[in-house]
Amino acid sequence: GQNIDQPTEMTATEGAIVQINCTYQTSGFNGLFWYQQHAGEAPTFLSYNVLDGLEEKGRFSSFLSRSKGYSYLLLKELQMKDSASYLCAVHGSGNTGKLIFGQGTTLQVKP
Amino acid sequence: SQTIHQWPATLVQPVGSPLSLECTVEGTSNPNLYWYRQAAGRGLQLLFYSVGIGQISSEVPQNLSASRPQDRQFILSSKKLLLSDSGFYLCAWSVRSPLHFGNGTRLTVT
Repeated sequence: GQNIDQPTEMTATEGAIVQINCTYQTSGFNGLFWYQQHAGEAPTFLSYNVLDGLEEKGRFSSFLSRSKGYSYLLLKELQMKDSASYLCAVHGSGNTGKLIFGQGTTLQVKP
Repeated sequence: SQTIHQWPATLVQPVGSPLSLECTVEGTSNPNLYWYRQAAGRGLQLLFYSVGIGQISSEVPQNLSASRPQDRQFILSSKKLLLSDSGFYLCAWSVRSPLHFGNGTRLTVT
């Protein structure tokens, strides 16, 4: 079967650093994506990892270990506007581009 | 640049009524197109995807159907809505990667 796990909820303080973990078991692997989704809105693309290691993009970084089926999204210098759901998604086998999404992690940033 | 249009933004429909949601993409050719649904407090579930005109793949058995009459047009339909069809419907496109989503349609079946 295919399974993507992430914590349901997290809370962090403004200005702090938070790490959101994602583990996956899929038939085939062609990349892992992180999306941000504010309440009532569509998801927006944050990052993409296909090789092991860290990808940095401003305050956001994403890490991948293919051998462990593990990724994390690191958010630095948290701002109130970072309160949102963060979705981990895997592109499995084939060339259809379809993504399998985890349930999402709702992050609440407190002052 | 590429844009994706999805409408309507919100919809309230009675049980047993038909449904038609439309999605169009601009600024790209031969995109892969997708319909996802997100139930309240849940993750995104892939309903249909299409790699070309007239080519539709269904991911889960359900009360819905999809069609792609033109390269950049994707339509989600139902002949008779069920209460369980309520949710947030998202159209998305990709050329290689990543997926880019439309603004979504919030459907409430009453």
